[in-house]
Amino acid sequence: QVQLQQWGAGLLRPSETLSLTCAVYGGSLSGYYWSWIRQTPGKGLEWIGEINHRRNATYNPSLKSRVTISVDTSKNQFSLKLSSVTAADSAVFYCARIVGNSLGDWFDPWGQGTLVTVSS
Amino acid sequence: DIQMTQSPPSLSASVRDRVTITCRASQNIRSSLNWYQQKPGKAPKLLIYAASSLQSGVPSRFSGSGSATDFTLTISSLQPEDFATYYCQQSYTSPLTFGGGTKVEIK
Repeated sequence: QVQLQQWGAGLLRPSETLSLTCAVYGGSLSGYYWSWIRQTPGKGLEWIGEINHRRNATYNPSLKSRVTISVDTSKNQFSLKLSSVTAADSAVFYCARIVGNSLGDWFDPWGQGTLVTVSS
Repeated sequence: DIQMTQSPPSLSASVRDRVTITCRASQNIRSSLNWYQQKPGKAPKLLIYAASSLQSGVPSRFSGSGSATDFTLTISSLQPEDFATYYCQQSYTSPLTFGGGTKVEIK
């Protein structure tokens, strides 16, 4: 059974770069897309982007200019970088695997979540 | 972006009640609709995918229906562990988007 474990800095200053990593246990990166999602009380759940083991990435246009998602196949991990953060980027960030068929895609499983706070 | 609108935003119900949550998409998304359950401090958990397919391990009291723009999540007999927030999510087109959630509370 695939499990995701994520980590990264939880407190950032404005203008810094958020950096989170998600490790995949019990399965390989191959054959799936891997995603980052964030959650705030105000905007709810927001899909940030996704990547596969071939490094093909797609981003939410709302964040595209500041987001980079990368993959390290040797470590079975994928990572998120979000640059120039502001208080509006404070959120709980989740990593998740994307599973799908001809009818669509869904997120399963999810990482445990990382609370990131941006404050001066 | 496709907007997902859930109703109601919250509801109060009793154990053994039948509960129905609706999700409306701003355009036709065929059957590309998923449902998640989230409890406080935890990550969302997949319940239903492709509008009506029950995820492995999820109790059969949960069911999903609908297509195109209108979808429903039904809990046939609410159990104490079902008090949580429920979200719909469309995967018809990028960017993937979620509904605002429905909080199911104890009456």
